[in-house]
Amino acid sequence: QQQVKQSPQSLIVQKGGISIINCAYENTAFDYFPWYQQFPGKGPALLIAIRPDVSEKKEGRFTISFNKSAKQFSLHIMDSQPGDSATYFCAASIGGYQKVTFGTGTKLQVIP
Amino acid sequence: KAGVTQTPRYLIKTRGQQVTLSCSPISGHRSVSWYQQTPGQGLQFLFEYFSETQRNKGNFPGRFSGRQFSNSRSEMNVSTLELGDSALYLCASSRDLGGANVLTFGAGSRLTVL
Repeated sequence: QQQVKQSPQSLIVQKGGISIINCAYENTAFDYFPWYQQFPGKGPALLIAIRPDVSEKKEGRFTISFNKSAKQFSLHIMDSQPGDSATYFCAASIGGYQKVTFGTGTKLQVIP
Repeated sequence: KAGVTQTPRYLIKTRGQQVTLSCSPISGHRSVSWYQQTPGQGLQFLFEYFSETQRNKGNFPGRFSGRQFSNSRSEMNVSTLELGDSALYLCASSRDLGGANVLTFGAGSRLTVL
């Protein structure tokens, strides 16, 4: 059962544009929502994370928007750069456990 | 500061064989978890260990097993390999302070089953 749905599967954005990736979850017990970035040949790396008591979190060019009532959250990458080209995974977990449910990933390509 | 180290990075096995993968967490990290990554299924949780005890287990058959040693290093074993076990196996570690549990992943062990 896919508990975190992610879209789109792939995304092409021009340099300087805004990249938007959306996720929806089902389990209301989730209380931690991280986003991971993965480059080819590497493991995923934590990019930014949010808790459901906050509606938005911004770190540099990366922003998470969170809608608790709709059970949706999204990642916005402002001023997208070719170096941002990677696969992005949204995820959700409960408490302090490492059992993380991942979305299916979005392959982002930023073209010059 | 050394990251999460996984060995071997690549391996090829045939159906029916077994394989053991190793993971050395970041120094001071006591929690280790394993994930299977495939193009079709994405990242799937296998199991999580803390202080040599399995805390959580994903929905994988009993052919998949793991353990954690007193120095927090972890191994996972897959017996009677099947073609569908071909995947990137990722290990992640964290300090396990509760709350925001930040996972640091290794580069993975890529297993090919022929």
